[in-house]
Amino acid sequence: GAGVSQSPSNKVTEKGKDVELRCDPISGHTALYWYRQSLGQGLEFLIYFQGNSAPDKSGLPSDRFSAERTGGSVSTLTIQRTQQEDSAVYLCASSLQLGGAGELFFGSGTQLSVL
Amino acid sequence: QKEVEQDPGPLSVPEGAIVSLNCTYSNSAFQYFMWYRQYSRKGPELLMYTYSSGNKEDGRFTAQVDKSSKYISLFIRDSQPSDSATYLCAMSVTSGTYKYIFGTGTRLKVLA
Repeated sequence: GAGVSQSPSNKVTEKGKDVELRCDPISGHTALYWYRQSLGQGLEFLIYFQGNSAPDKSGLPSDRFSAERTGGSVSTLTIQRTQQEDSAVYLCASSLQLGGAGELFFGSGTQLSVL
Repeated sequence: QKEVEQDPGPLSVPEGAIVSLNCTYSNSAFQYFMWYRQYSRKGPELLMYTYSSGNKEDGRFTAQVDKSSKYISLFIRDSQPSDSATYLCAMSVTSGTYKYIFGTGTRLKVLA
């Protein structure tokens, strides 16, 4: 595809369930970022990947959150034992260049609602 | 205190007005400064970036960075209803980590 694709676009789950969010970056983009956007909180950094490795995962809120990237392409963000405070839009972005002035290309996000 | 502070708005202006959007930051190591625009239910899109201090102009948009005051601005001239969106500033350092720190975003509404 031409842009960053995220699935599902919406996810409603019950408290305590596990969820997986998927990101398909733009082909050839080596850098991949995950952010979380809550009302009034802006974009909160979660983790970024360079290829398949994650040099900075300092933004993951707790050990219930994990992410992986395979083949230098698709990434999955997993949230275990979801809590209501996990409700947010989860945005994925990819970039040709890591850091600096590299432009981030964002997907439209996954709206996660934890009931 | 957040590393990057941004007034969330909302900011309402009449069509044709000059809009000023601002962010302040606390980390003096930030060297790259960006402005993203986000329409409802979409991901942010890069508008402009600036390296270190100075001004940069692109059409109706001007970005300014004042590192001495840790203050950045985005000016929109001749604002249009299509400029109605949320504007987010973002910053990064040049070494150590390649994460971008975003402000909370300012919601702008340009009235026709």
